[in-house]
Amino acid sequence: ETGVTQTPRHLVMGMTNKKSLKCEQHLGHNAMYWYKQSAKKPLELMFVYNFKEQTENNSVPSRFSPECPNSSHLFLHLHTLQPEDSALYLCASSQDYSGVETQYFGPGTRLLVL
Amino acid sequence: DQQVKQNSPSLSVQEGRISILNCDYTNSMFDYFLWYKKYPAEGPTFLISISSIKDKNEDGRFTVFLNKSAKHLSLHIVPSQPGDSAVYFCAARPTSGTYKYIFGTGTRLKVLA
Repeated sequence: ETGVTQTPRHLVMGMTNKKSLKCEQHLGHNAMYWYKQSAKKPLELMFVYNFKEQTENNSVPSRFSPECPNSSHLFLHLHTLQPEDSALYLCASSQDYSGVETQYFGPGTRLLVL
Repeated sequence: DQQVKQNSPSLSVQEGRISILNCDYTNSMFDYFLWYKKYPAEGPTFLISISSIKDKNEDGRFTVFLNKSAKHLSLHIVPSQPGDSAVYFCAARPTSGTYKYIFGTGTRLKVLA
């Protein structure tokens, strides 16, 4: 595997379910990101981890819980989501969190909350 | 309120002609701008960037122009190819406080053969 991978690619869940999104990067990067893209809206940054430490939490509701066990893996744990949380969730990584480093994106997980 | 705006949701261009994608921003405190391209079922891929101290950056068929007084960014693709058909996002980075990018909503480019 190369680049940034995400699993699953598609997910349908009920509002009472608990699920997790997984992201893995094979680029040797130290920063990882979760973005949300809703229909007709810009990409919204959710979380940033730099060297496994969370450095940004963009006022994300607590029903989204990130986890970064090491620099290569990033999870997004989902619990009691709402239908308006249906969106494309994109993971990205960069060499570090300096802003000038190019971010490399995964293909995304398309989430539908019923 | 959106700080980075792409007012054209879609654009169609004939193969071989120039494609011009536009982006406007409202915050003077952005110092770095980027363009990403996204194909269906794939994540966005970095295309080209420009620092606020420059007004032009060129990479092959792709050129980005920055007009700071107008707070306007544009991406020129010459000549356009069918493989350029994708959604193009512009993004801007604030000068201080955070390194997070602010993205536009994207413009879908279709290059007709």
